[in-house]
Amino acid sequence: SQKIEQNSEALNIQEGKTATLTCNYTNYSPAYLQWYRQDPGRGPVFLLLIRENEKEKRKERLKVTFDTTLKQSLFHITASQPADSATYLCALHSGAGSYQLTFGKGTKLSVIP
Amino acid sequence: DAGVIQSPRHEVTEMGQEVTLRCKPISGHDYLFWYRQTMMRGLELLIYFNNNVPIDDSGMPEDRFSAKMPNASFSTLKIQPSEPRDSAVYFCASSLRGFAGELFFGEGSRLTVL
Repeated sequence: SQKIEQNSEALNIQEGKTATLTCNYTNYSPAYLQWYRQDPGRGPVFLLLIRENEKEKRKERLKVTFDTTLKQSLFHITASQPADSATYLCALHSGAGSYQLTFGKGTKLSVIP
Repeated sequence: DAGVIQSPRHEVTEMGQEVTLRCKPISGHDYLFWYRQTMMRGLELLIYFNNNVPIDDSGMPEDRFSAKMPNASFSTLKIQPSEPRDSAVYFCASSLRGFAGELFFGEGSRLTVL
């Protein structure tokens, strides 16, 4: 069956360090992979989209990698700040089979001052 | 633009009552999605529309759930009769390019069924 796993439910990191979040998937052939940020009591907010033929995407302090061989995406936040504390969700869009955007359960990141 | 607007933000009701959640998508977005979020199951797609037409409702859990989009600026998700296991946060989202692009989410409607 199809599955999306985000490495841990919670991740604590010291301010200024690089946070690395993992998204693994099985039985998918995703055409796109997206990352969203969700703050408590709010809706998810789009951060980055990476296509299957792209290895890496950057946006300011954010970097996403996509390895279709390992079936894994890594999401990095460099020079992390307490304001980066939130839940981060990965989402896969498969162009075949189940045509929808399927979300992982998220990783709650806490950046400690 | 004000973004995706959902109402009500919070709803507390008793089992057996009808619940109607409302959504106004971003103007010009052709796709509208209804998601449900729980701690156990995360975000799950219930149904989505393209140009006001329901495309995939396979995520709607039971016949108690129904969704409509009478025009490009309004959609409803109705639960009748509601049950305690329907308690969740219901999100509406819209997009220009379906699942191949950015989804814009509303702030959600938190439903509690007693």
